[in-house]
Amino acid sequence: QKEVEQNSGPLSVPEGAIASLNCTYSDRGSQSFFWYRQYSGKSPELIMSIYSNGDKEDGRFTAQLNKASQYVSLLIRDSQPSDSATYLCAVGGPGNTGKLIFGQGTTLQVKP
Amino acid sequence: KAGVTQTPRYLIKTRGQQVTLSCSPISGHRSVSWYQQTPGQGLQFLFEYFSETQRNKGNFPGRFSGRQFSNSRSEMNVSTLELGDSALYLCASSFVSSYNEQFFGPGTRLTVL
Repeated sequence: QKEVEQNSGPLSVPEGAIASLNCTYSDRGSQSFFWYRQYSGKSPELIMSIYSNGDKEDGRFTAQLNKASQYVSLLIRDSQPSDSATYLCAVGGPGNTGKLIFGQGTTLQVKP
Repeated sequence: KAGVTQTPRYLIKTRGQQVTLSCSPISGHRSVSWYQQTPGQGLQFLFEYFSETQRNKGNFPGRFSGRQFSNSRSEMNVSTLELGDSALYLCASSFVSSYNEQFFGPGTRLTVL
């Protein structure tokens, strides 16, 4: 079992729709969770961080965390073609160190 | 505030050579983590430095090494390059640890011929 799992996609949604991206993790002791967006040929860009159970909203983005189910999700409302990218779920590694464990990423395609 | 910078942006080397990559973190950030990204393996953690000390190391051979200087700038070195080392090498900085948000630099694209 991989430590962080994501559906590789592609996930295709029409412009203006809600895109839902999901991630599960195996280490129940994980405390920090992040979503990154990566455009082709570019480096990952942090878009959301979440640490507590529940929802966290930032503009069109909402991150959801359920530690009991070991599940993190990202909702993108009013999806735009510019949102087309690979979305990486990352989980803070054990201990107080700078290790993030990444999923393989989900490719999102937003069609005009 | 300036972001994370990495030099060089592109490198072409041949098998057996060695390479040194440099990373300057965001001002005030003391933790620097290095990652390797390949199409097949995704983003994999190499190692992390904090206050000039390696705190954590990923599952990579000893040919991969790094260091951090007193100003938090970091370098990574790969010796005896292999074809499979061709990848995008990314560094990320954060205030203290993986509990804090990490911000990535633009990466160094290494091609080994």
